[in-house]
Formats: sequence, structure tokens, C-alpha cells
Amino acid sequence: EAGVTQFPSHSVIEKGQTVTLRCDPISGHDNLYWYRRVMGKEIKFLLHFVKESKQDESGMPNNRFLAERTGGTYSTLKVQPAELEDSGVYFCASSQALGQPYNEQFFGPGTRLTVL
Amino acid sequence: AQKITQTQPGMFVQEKEAVTLDCTYDTSDPSYGLFWYKQPSSGEMIFLIYQGSYDQQNATEGRYSLNFQKARKSANLVISASQLGDSAMYFCAMRDDDMRFGAGTRLTVKP
Repeated sequence: EAGVTQFPSHSVIEKGQTVTLRCDPISGHDNLYWYRRVMGKEIKFLLHFVKESKQDESGMPNNRFLAERTGGTYSTLKVQPAELEDSGVYFCASSQALGQPYNEQFFGPGTRLTVL
Repeated sequence: AQKITQTQPGMFVQEKEAVTLDCTYDTSDPSYGLFWYKQPSSGEMIFLIYQGSYDQQNATEGRYSLNFQKARKSANLVISASQLGDSAMYFCAMRDDDMRFGAGTRLTVKP
């Protein structure tokens, strides 16, 4: 069974440009999460999808970030326009439906974003 | 608001010895889960161990055990018989509806 995949693995863009990150969760996982780790700091929650709906987007830093999950399958995270402080590693994770004894999140390998 | 604290930015341990990585948390929710993840230099996040807030016994998974002290709100990870391959970043996390992570501890196992 394939794990969580993310594309691209690395992205280098200039300030002001747009970047779109993609996450493909494990098949059948309703929950999809986005996190980011900036400059060696702690991993911070961005948002949580349940199927195609945004369950919690309290961690989204500002309106330059837009996440979508059309059809409840893969998700995209778009940063427009990118700023220098957006550089970091963006992780995606997925998990099965809530209500399981515990809800282990399976992480993707991350996308390393560098904004110059 | 939830808060996860890992006070040890870096730890060193001699190969084959045990090491404890500290984690404290803060939540007002009576139902929560505590997780530890390992992140090697390759970057992926690897699930290690889970403890539920209502679990009576400390969780164990092979060489990993979680020292859960609910009253003190601590969930320290104990790695026994350290191996060189244990060198990595270790993240403590807590979940009720969503996951919150600590800043991480970089563990280095010395030969």
C-alpha cells in the first residue's frame, strides 16, 4: 500500500511568485492535515480536512495560503504571493476516520520550500 | 490553548545505554492522545508510540516506552539500549481534534 506522497520534494521560488504543493493521502483516509516546520522551529499545524471539508483551518498563517481538497482525495496548498518567511518544510499527513481507538497520522516526506 | 514543551534541544547518549526525552503538555481537555515521532535525516516522520489519556498503563513498543505521568502532564519517551540508528529528531505531539507538536529534541547516539 502506498503511503502519503507529496510533490514536489523541493521547490525554490522567488519572493512574489506562486507555488502549489500537492499531497496524496493514503487511499481511504478521510482526514488530511497540513503542517509546516519553519527554520528549525517546531512543527506547526496549518489545517485539517475531513474529506473535502475544512474541519479546522485555525493554523493558516494568512490569506496568502489557500488549501483545497476537491473530491476528498488529494489536496493542494497554494502560496500566493510567496514571502521569504514562508520558507520551510511543508508536511502532509493523513489518517483514517475519527472514532478509531487512536488516530495515527501517517506523514508524507514533506516538501522543502525555499523562497529567495 | 494546547501547548507541547520539549525542553531538551539536543541530547547525547552512549550506544547501548538508555535515554529519556522529556515532554510536557498543557490541555484542559480530559480526552487526548500523546504521540512520539522520529524524524531521521532523510526527513520522513516515523510514528513510534501512542498513549491515550485514559490508558491506565504506560505504552511500550519494543525499545520505546512512554513514561506517562498524567497529574504532572508529562509524557517522556524512554529509549532503551540505544542504537546508532536512533540518532534523529524526536517530536512529542498531542491530539484532541488536531495534532500539536513540540519543538523537537535532536538525539545523537555516540559509538
